[in-house]
This record gives sequence, structure tokens and C-alpha cells, in this order.
Amino acid sequence: ETGVTQSPTHLIKTRGQQVTLRCSSQSGHNTVSWYQQALGQGPQFIFQYYREEENGRGNFPPRFSGLQFPNYSSELNVNALELDDSALYLCASSLTTTNEKLFFGSGTQLSVL
Amino acid sequence: DQQVKQNSPSLSVQEGRISILNCDYTNSMFDYFLWYKKYPAEGPTFLISISSIKDKNEDGRFTVFLNKSAKHLSLHIVPSQPGDSAVYFCAASAGSARQLTFGSGTQLTVLP
Repeated sequence: ETGVTQSPTHLIKTRGQQVTLRCSSQSGHNTVSWYQQALGQGPQFIFQYYREEENGRGNFPPRFSGLQFPNYSSELNVNALELDDSALYLCASSLTTTNEKLFFGSGTQLSVL
Repeated sequence: DQQVKQNSPSLSVQEGRISILNCDYTNSMFDYFLWYKKYPAEGPTFLISISSIKDKNEDGRFTVFLNKSAKHLSLHIVPSQPGDSAVYFCAASAGSARQLTFGSGTQLTVLP
């Protein structure tokens, strides 16, 4: 059974650029959620995708967007990067939309300079 | 507005002793609570959960207690082992919104 994988592991961007982060969900999981973890903080919910549709969103601006593909893999896109976007971005998959037992990937560490 | 709070950033315990990690919440709509453990360079891994209809859930060395009137939950690890050294996050969810709200974490260090 393959776990949740994320790419890239680390990324450095400059302010104003755009970034795409990728996630492959655990086998059999049809729901993907994205979280942002700033230094010294707990993960904060960005949004959830189910059946290729956004299924819930946290308090993040529209420049944070996502996609889910038929194979349940997912992308997180962030436009017009700001310095405060520097964080660890975690992808998590689950069996259903109501299953809180999330399985997390190791994350992508994004640094915005 | 921190709805889930872990007021102790760190905790050190001797091997074999009990570790008690605490978590407070403010949103009375939360009905499901979880604990996650995170090692460096890894994603959080699910540890144990409890529904608001219960006040205790046990899984091996790990027990979670929920006090709804005080809006407080705690994780007990007995006996503590050096491999338990990690950051522990408390998380909660409410109703049909299955997103998790996390606390800021507690770094547990178990000393051999």
C-alpha cells in the first residue's frame, strides 16, 4: 500500500511568483485535503477536494487554488506569492470526506524570499 | 482566534513514567477530537481519537480523556518510551465540516 507522497520536498520562490505543489493520495483514498503549517504553529486547513470538486475551504484568499484529478492526485497552486506564504504545506488523504483520520504526506517546505 | 490551544510548548518526562499532554478548546460545536504525532521531516500520523459522546478512549499505552464541561482533553502515555519523543498535536472537528482545527503542538521529550 503506497502512502501519501508530495513533491517537491523543498522549494524556494520569490515574492510575486506562482507555485504548484503536487500530491499523490494513499491507495483507495478519494478525498484530499491541504494544510499550511507555519513555523511554530499547527497545520491550518486550506481546502478539501472530493471527486475533483472543492468540498470545503478554510480562511485562505482565492490566490490559493487547487485541483484533483481522476486518479485522486491533487495540486495546490498559489499565485502572487507573499513572504507570509513561507510554510510547510501538507497534503492529507482520507477514505471519505467525513473521515477525520487523515493520512499525511511529509510536506513541501516553501520559502518565499 | 485560536479555537484549539496547547499551552505547553514542551514537556520532558523520564522513560517509564506517565506523560500527560493537555489541550483546551473554545468552540462548543466541536464533536470529534484527535491526537496526531509528528516526527521531524515526516507528516503527522494519527494516534488516537474520541467522540464527544465519550469521556475516555484507550489504545494500548495511549488514553485520551475528554471533559466537555471544561472544554479540555488530555492524552496520557503510560509508560513513556524514548521513541515517543515527538511533537503532539491536538485537533478537533465540528458537525458536517470535516476540516480539522489543530493546536500549536507540544514537543514531548522522553529521557532514557
